[in-house]
Amino acid sequence: ILNVEQSPQSLHVQEGDSTNFTCSFPSSNFYALHWYRWETAKSPEALFVMTLNGDEKKKGRISATLNTKEGYSYLYIKGSQPEDSATYLCAFASYNTDKLIFGTGTRLQVFP
Amino acid sequence: KAGVTQTPRYLIKTRGQQVTLSCSPISGHRSVSWYQQTPGQGLQFLFEYFSETQRNKGNFPGRFSGRQFSNSRSEMNVSTLELGDSALYLCASSLNRDEQYFGPGTRLTVT
Repeated sequence: ILNVEQSPQSLHVQEGDSTNFTCSFPSSNFYALHWYRWETAKSPEALFVMTLNGDEKKKGRISATLNTKEGYSYLYIKGSQPEDSATYLCAFASYNTDKLIFGTGTRLQVFP
Repeated sequence: KAGVTQTPRYLIKTRGQQVTLSCSPISGHRSVSWYQQTPGQGLQFLFEYFSETQRNKGNFPGRFSGRQFSNSRSEMNVSTLELGDSALYLCASSLNRDEQYFGPGTRLTVT
């Protein structure tokens, strides 16, 4: 059974703080690792799709790294803002299957 | 480009009934995936359709079924509804195995 785990489950930070979350996934048969942001009352929105070991991607204040050999990815948010408040989901895709396996998410709340 | 649309947005059904949910993907996307979200759970994969064929299936009972039409629109059907089927049902479209574009979801409540 493929398992994707995210930690922490929830996080409360002050505006301006930097923060990071972890996504752990199976290290075998790796194909891709996706990060999504899901704001309340909206649809999940893709942040990054990462495929190469050592990959680093950045979008504004948000960046992500990938280690496929040990099976983890980090998502960083620099200088958190209240509008960053959302649930951040990661999803793993393997060569064995076309389906994405999602983690349960990290719920981030940024207080002004 | 129009996004993924889902209808209806909200639905209330009683146990034993059946329900059909609809998803229209982004134009040009041939892959449509369905997910179930319940409180405390991550997105649970239901199935994926590509060019009218079910390409992948999650671990859900046979009461959950789907189909895809030639215009890539997809429907999901749940028969003999149970209370535990109350959830947010999301569909997502993609070009092959690229990032997925999610619809707004259908909130199903079974009473």
